Amino acid sequence: GAGVSQSPSNKVTEKGKDVELRCDPISGHTALYWYRQSLGQGLEFLIYFQGNSAPDKSGLPSDRFSAERTGGSVSTLTIQRTQQEDSAVYLCASTWTSGGAWEQFFGPGTRLTVL
Amino acid sequence: KQEVTQIPAALSVPEGENLVLNCSFTDSAIYNLQWFRQDPGKGLTSLLLIQSSQREQTSGRLNASLDKSSGRSTLYIAASQPGDSATYLCAAYTDKLIFGTGTRLQVFP
Repeated sequence: GAGVSQSPSNKVTEKGKDVELRCDPISGHTALYWYRQSLGQGLEFLIYFQGNSAPDKSGLPSDRFSAERTGGSVSTLTIQRTQQEDSAVYLCASTWTSGGAWEQFFGPGTRLTVL
Repeated sequence: KQEVTQIPAALSVPEGENLVLNCSFTDSAIYNLQWFRQDPGKGLTSLLLIQSSQREQTSGRLNASLDKSSGRSTLYIAASQPGDSATYLCAAYTDKLIFGTGTRLQVFP
């Protein structure tokens, strides 16, 4: 596609349920990032994937959060046993490669609401 | 740990004014600095990216400067328009983007 796409655009779930958020990066981009934007918290880094290297998970807030990237393309962010504080907009970004030379292009985000 | 701060947090100006948005970062060991625009309920749109070796970048009415040694970047918007109303975010890149909290800009006719 022409840009980064994310699905669903909105997700409402009950506390305790698991959710999966999907990101389709721009074709050919080897680096993929997940960020979270919470009310009053700003944008925070969660995890990034670069090619076949082990992902940098240093931003994941708890072990309830995990992500995978299959075939070097599509990524899924999974939140288990959701809590109300997980409510946020989850943004995905991709770029040609990590290393700082390239712009990151962002998807429209998934707005997650945990009731 | 990299920290990015943006001043002011909010700005409301009449159409036609020239604006300066400020961004400061604590760790000067960055690869680049990127400015984004975010409209309500939308994702981020990249405006300008300045590599660490560069001093400034320009795109249309936007000009961004970078002074690594002082840990500062500014985004200059010339002849502001109501369509410029949005939140502007700067982000410093080391191996990931560290974002500031943004400047919410409103330009009124």
